[in-house]
Amino acid sequence: SQELEQSPQSLIVQEGKNLTINCTSSKTLYGLYWYKQKYGEGLIFLMMLQKGGEEKSHEKITAKLDEKKQQSSLHITASQPSHAGIYLCGADPTGNQFYFGTGTSLTVIP
Amino acid sequence: GEEVAQTPKHLVRGEGQKAKLYCAPIKGHSYVFWYQQVLKNEFKFLISFQNENVFDETGMPKERFSAKCLPNSPCSLEIQATKLEDSAVYFCASSSLGSRDVEKLFFGSGTQLSVL
Repeated sequence: SQELEQSPQSLIVQEGKNLTINCTSSKTLYGLYWYKQKYGEGLIFLMMLQKGGEEKSHEKITAKLDEKKQQSSLHITASQPSHAGIYLCGADPTGNQFYFGTGTSLTVIP
Repeated sequence: GEEVAQTPKHLVRGEGQKAKLYCAPIKGHSYVFWYQQVLKNEFKFLISFQNENVFDETGMPKERFSAKCLPNSPCSLEIQATKLEDSAVYFCASSSLGSRDVEKLFFGSGTQLSVL
């Protein structure tokens, strides 16, 4: 089965600071998804990366995929309280089962 | 509909009682997935359907859990004789072509099951 390890597990940052969340896969990544979950709410799709070296941005969030390292990183620039929540990476190596990472809990202090 | 609708939002059951959760996928989506979020960072895949057929049930507990997706009805996840450890948020997601070939899974807002 696919294992997706995220680091750090939790992160507390001051508003305005930059931060990075990593997602490392135990198997070859053919694509990777990033989601955000606000406390008590459902999952919100952020972006999908399909090719090695691909980089995508959505507002102040940028994600990259390094296929060789079997790793993806999510970078938030100038964090805001609205960025707080749980960030999950996800992958679907077989086409019929979707795996989530262990998650990173982000707190942004105003 | 344009969103995955899960009902109820909250469900409280006494240990040993039955719990039934519903999920209406986005109209036109053929695949439905159920996940159990036990800890805030951990999601466990339970089962997936392609239309009314079970696609993958490798994550389903053998006992007490069952699921269906019948034509013209919301999909359902049923837990017989609930246990304390079943307390979790259960998420449903749908997609149009299976999770490999689409840009995203569309998730519902979840059902919080509390077993007392």
